[in-house]
Formats: sequence, structure tokens, C-alpha cells
Amino acid sequence: DAKTTQPNSMESNEEEPVHLPCNHSTISGTDYIHWYRQLPSQGPEYVIHGLTSNVNNRMASLAIAEDRKSSTLILHRATLRDAAVYYCILLNYGGSQGNLIFGKGTKLSVKP
Amino acid sequence: DGGITQSPKYLFRKEGQNVTLSCEQNLNHDAMYWYRQDPGQGLRLIYYSQIVNDFQKGDIAEGYSVSREKKESFPLTVTSAQKNPTAFYLCASSVSDRGGEKLFFGSGTQLSVL
Repeated sequence: DAKTTQPNSMESNEEEPVHLPCNHSTISGTDYIHWYRQLPSQGPEYVIHGLTSNVNNRMASLAIAEDRKSSTLILHRATLRDAAVYYCILLNYGGSQGNLIFGKGTKLSVKP
Repeated sequence: DGGITQSPKYLFRKEGQNVTLSCEQNLNHDAMYWYRQDPGQGLRLIYYSQIVNDFQKGDIAEGYSVSREKKESFPLTVTSAQKNPTAFYLCASSVSDRGGEKLFFGSGTQLSVL
């Protein structure tokens, strides 16, 4: 099953950019790279996703390596509300997500 | 508002008791999922359903059961066979759109053993 690797934790200062890395060396051609984040005692929420090209939305940017074996979630200006666990996962378009794997993610701490 | 509703938010189970966690969605999604999360850990798949009246076991289905009689409902029963049920339980649904599948999660149910 396709799987991702992320650092266990990262720290950032408020108002500074944050780059959260993710490795997915076994990604297949039909896997989309998704990022979700989870605040304490809540369910994960969607952040951003992409296939090959870099993507931007109001929450974040996603930079995807040319070989698609790694990606980086970019929070342009971290706020205290961005402190959460960030999950990088691979979703296969149109297929069953029964083999979807959520690792431990990266716990982001934001210092004022 | 459209979304996924899980209830109750907190649930306590006595030894030997079966308990049922509710999950309802009004997003008109075909696929629904149940995950278990232990402290400091990722999410592990218990069961999933891609369509009404059909469901499949995930990685840790032992001691759990589900039903999918209606599109909008996917209740999870934690049976007495599940010896370590204390965990945070998350329900999700997914939809395929341009750009792939997207997951939507409920706010979770914290189950504890008395």
C-alpha cells in the first residue's frame, strides 16, 4: 500500500512561514497527494491536495516534486490557530479508500 | 449546514456491554468510514462502506460491527469482544470530484471504559 513519511514534530514562530515535508517514494500515477490537519479532540479537516502541479488555496500552498516522490505543505504565515497535527496521505482517484493509511503525522507547534 | 454528525461526543462502556456510536451525513456521499485513534497515534481503519447494504473490514475490525441500511447512516457497534475499546472514534465520508477523492470527518466520539 502507498505510504507516506513525515517528521514527528516541528516548531514555528508566529507570523513566519512553515514548510512541512512529506516523502512518498512509492506513489503511483493515479495517487493524489492530500493534506489534512487535526486540532485537539476534533476530526481531521481538509487542507489541500494536488496531483502534479503546485497548488494554492486560501489555507496553504502545496509544492510537489517533479518526480512526485515528495511534497511540501507551506503555511505562509503561521498563526497560533495553525497548531495541529498535519497528515500527508495518498488518495487514489475513484477507487476504494479501504487501504488508506494515516500515519502519525507532523505535530506543529507555533510559538507566539 | 452539510456535514457529518457523530454522537454522542463522550460515551462510557461497562464491562461486557455493547455500545453503538452514531454517524449521520447529509452530504449525499456514497462512501463512509470508521477510524480508531489512540493517543498520539494515527488513524486506523475499522470498517468502510462504499454503498448501501455493503461494507468491508478494515485493518482492525475484530470486536466491532457496522450496518449500512441507509445512505446517510453508518453506525458502529463496539461489542464486548473488543477488550481495549478506549479510544477516539472518527467517522468519515468521501466523494470523488475533479481532483480526486476528498474526505470529510465528523468531530469524533471519545469512548471510555468504566
